[in-house]
Amino acid sequence: NAGVTQTPKFQVLKTGQSMTLQCAQDMNHEYMSWYRQDPGMGLRLIHYSVGAGITDQGEVPNGYNVSRSTTEDFPLRLLSAAPSQTSVYFCASRYRTSNTGELFFGEGSRLTVL
Amino acid sequence: KQEVTQIPAALSVPEGENLVLNCSFTDSAIYNLQWFRQDPGKGLTSLLLIQSSQREQTSGRLNASLDKSSGRSTLYIAASQPGDSATYLCAVLSYNTDKLIFGTGTRLQVFP
Repeated sequence: NAGVTQTPKFQVLKTGQSMTLQCAQDMNHEYMSWYRQDPGMGLRLIHYSVGAGITDQGEVPNGYNVSRSTTEDFPLRLLSAAPSQTSVYFCASRYRTSNTGELFFGEGSRLTVL
Repeated sequence: KQEVTQIPAALSVPEGENLVLNCSFTDSAIYNLQWFRQDPGKGLTSLLLIQSSQREQTSGRLNASLDKSSGRSTLYIAASQPGDSATYLCAVLSYNTDKLIFGTGTRLQVFP
């Protein structure tokens, strides 16, 4: 079972470069989200989506864009990378209804911005 | 705004001990609370999910309780083993939001 798949696992960027972190899930989950994890800060929500064509901002959305054209995919775009975006990024998904809200995570993407 | 706190931040115990990890949240209007485990360099693995109508959930040596009125949850680990060493995080899903809010975790080390 694939679950939630993130690519790439590691990436090094220079300041100002752009890139896309890919996330795909095969569980037909309506809800998908992106978190970043930093030492001492825990996991912070960047953006989330409750279905195809619907996205919304989380706690730390600045510098990131998302789109949701299909149920399966939820890419995260960094338009102009900054050193402050050095972090580990996690994609997560779940069913949206409250009774089946278990969240499933990908393995993470470690990004370094020089 | 929902805030989630976990105490202690780190814990080191000998093998065989029974442990209690704590999670507190400020807004009791929640759908559910979830406990996760994270190994170094890895993603998060769901351990237990407690719905707002439930008082506890059990899985093997793990037992999680929920007291919404006091804004608290505990994760009880029985007969700890070195393989339990990891960071444990709790997260809550509040009413009228699709945002799961995380605590900063408890880093557990169980030594032989």
